This record gives sequence, C-alpha cells and structure tokens, in this order.
Amino acid sequence: KQEVTQIPAALSVPEGENLVLNCSFTDSAIYNLQWFRQDPGKGLTSLLLIQSSQREQTSGRLNASLDKSSGRSTLYIAASQPGDSATYLCALYSNYQLIWGAGTKLIIKP
Amino acid sequence: DTAVSQTPKYLVTQMGNDKSIKCEQNLGHDTMYWYKQDSKKFLKIMFSYNNKELIINETVPNRFSPKSPDKAHLNLHINSLELGDSAVYFCASSQVPGQGRNPYEQYFGPGTRLTVT
Repeated sequence: KQEVTQIPAALSVPEGENLVLNCSFTDSAIYNLQWFRQDPGKGLTSLLLIQSSQREQTSGRLNASLDKSSGRSTLYIAASQPGDSATYLCALYSNYQLIWGAGTKLIIKP
Repeated sequence: DTAVSQTPKYLVTQMGNDKSIKCEQNLGHDTMYWYKQDSKKFLKIMFSYNNKELIINETVPNRFSPKSPDKAHLNLHINSLELGDSAVYFCASSQVPGQGRNPYEQYFGPGTRLTVT
C-alpha cells in the first residue's frame, strides 16, 4: 500500500533563505508526483508536476526533483519570500487517484 | 475566469439534514473528483468519475452520492448529515490520461467548508 510522508510538518525560516521540503513514498511504481500549495481558507494550487520518467521540473524559484529508486521527492524554494508562506502538499498519482502527504506548513519570517 | 468552481464556499447545517455541493469545470476535462480534507489536513479521495466510470472509495458511506448532469458538472449529495462529516470538500478535474500536456494533472476548486452542528 502506497504511503506518502512529508517531513517536517512545519518549518519557519527567515526571508531570503533557500529551503527544501521533503516528500517520501513507499512504492516506487508511480505515474507522477505533484506538488501543491494551500493557502489558509483558499483552494489548492498546483505548483509542479513531475512525470515518472522525469527527474526534475522547474518553475521560477521552485525546483522539484524526483528519485523513484529512493522513494523521495524534494521541493526546493530559492530566495524565500513572506508570500511563500503556505502549506505545501505532495501527492502521487496512480490509477486515477492522488495519494496525499499531510503537508508541510511553511512560514517565512520577514 | 475560474477553471473549477464550487458552491457554496461555506455550509453550516444541522445533523440529519440533506445537502448538496455543486462543482463545475470549464476546462473541457473528462474526469472529475471529490476529495475530503479532514482535520489532520489529509486529503482523501471520495469519488472519481468520467463519462464511463464511477470509481468509489470503499470507505465512503453510501450517504454520499455524486451526481453528474453533464461532463462539466459533478455535484456531491449528502444525506442524513453527521457531525463527522464536518470537513473541507474539494472538487477537482483532469484530462483523460493520454491526452494533453499533463494528463494526470488535477485542477482543484476552492473547497467547501462544511460544518455540521
């Protein structure tokens, strides 16, 4: 059974720092992995999608990597800003459904 | 120019009532989903549905039923609401696998916060 874990559950860093969020999974047979952002009281926003054949995807200051053999994905955020404060969720896609981690709550201090 | 919309955004109701949450997508997607986000922030799929197939998560009580009047809509009906149904419900849609740039990428609505008192 696929399980997705995100560590840490919460992270607080000063503005301007580079940071890494982690996502691990137990079964390497995945179709893709997706990173989302959730803002309080708002919906989910898809940030990056990595297909199973890909190693990484980049969008602006965000870079997501995927290592299926080790069951890990990381989301790298460069030069963090207060507007990056949100909960970040990773999810694996298999058989028409997403299997979710519990998220990492990120706070960027001005 | 909302891609996936849900109504209402907030819903407060009493135990035992029957309620519906509506979802509409204007992306031309073929598959729609309902998720429940519990108090621990886990998102769990409830249903996925396209023109041909309804896939139900077996843990979902049969008080919950999806209804799709057309491809762009997937509404969620809940009968005999219970306190434990309080949660945020998200609707999402995606393209049919094999089509489009990111066939499995799901687009989410803003969520509906349901409170049962």
